[in-house]
Amino acid sequence: RKEVEQDPGPFNVPEGATVAFNCTYSNSASQSFFWYRQDCRKEPKLLMSVYSSGNEDGRFTAQLNRASQYISLLIRDSKLSDSATYLCVLHTGGFKTIFGAGTRLFVKA
Amino acid sequence: DGGITQSPKYLFRKEGQNVTLSCEQNLNHDAMYWYRQDPGQGLRLIYYSQIVNDFQKGDIAEGYSVSREKKESFPLTVTSAQKNPTAFYLCASSQDRGYEKLFFGSGTQLSVL
Repeated sequence: RKEVEQDPGPFNVPEGATVAFNCTYSNSASQSFFWYRQDCRKEPKLLMSVYSSGNEDGRFTAQLNRASQYISLLIRDSKLSDSATYLCVLHTGGFKTIFGAGTRLFVKA
Repeated sequence: DGGITQSPKYLFRKEGQNVTLSCEQNLNHDAMYWYRQDPGQGLRLIYYSQIVNDFQKGDIAEGYSVSREKKESFPLTVTSAQKNPTAFYLCASSQDRGYEKLFFGSGTQLSVL
């Protein structure tokens, strides 16, 4: 079983739609959780950290469920510019950072 | 502007050839990393370095070598022993040992001729 599993998509949604991604992880020792965004053939960029209490940054909301070992990302009012691959990332301490394979999102006009 | 610079953006390797990917950072970060990304897969750690003149193997170090002679620089050599080198290579740095937030360079696409 992979340490981090994401639905690869692609998710095709119209502008203005709400879309949600889930990510499950197997390492219960995971300490920190993140969502990164990666555009095609570009470097990943930190989108937001994920906290147990849930957190929001504008149109983006992240949730963590430690008991069920999954994290989620909700994007409201999708924009064309949101089209990208979203990476679920875990940090288990020290130098161990685990990247999911990513979920591709296409937002259409 | 502070950041990480990778070069070249595209690189072609002939069979049996060693090639070196450059990574320079001016963020004054102690830790630097090399990742490999293949289509449909997550990033995989090749090597990392916590401090000058020290580096450690990651999950897929075979066929690669690194050096860390200066804090700012962490070049990666893809040797002829790496039989499947075609991939997107990403260099990253972090503020200190094990710090969570990674800053990435823009990547190098390596292909085999």
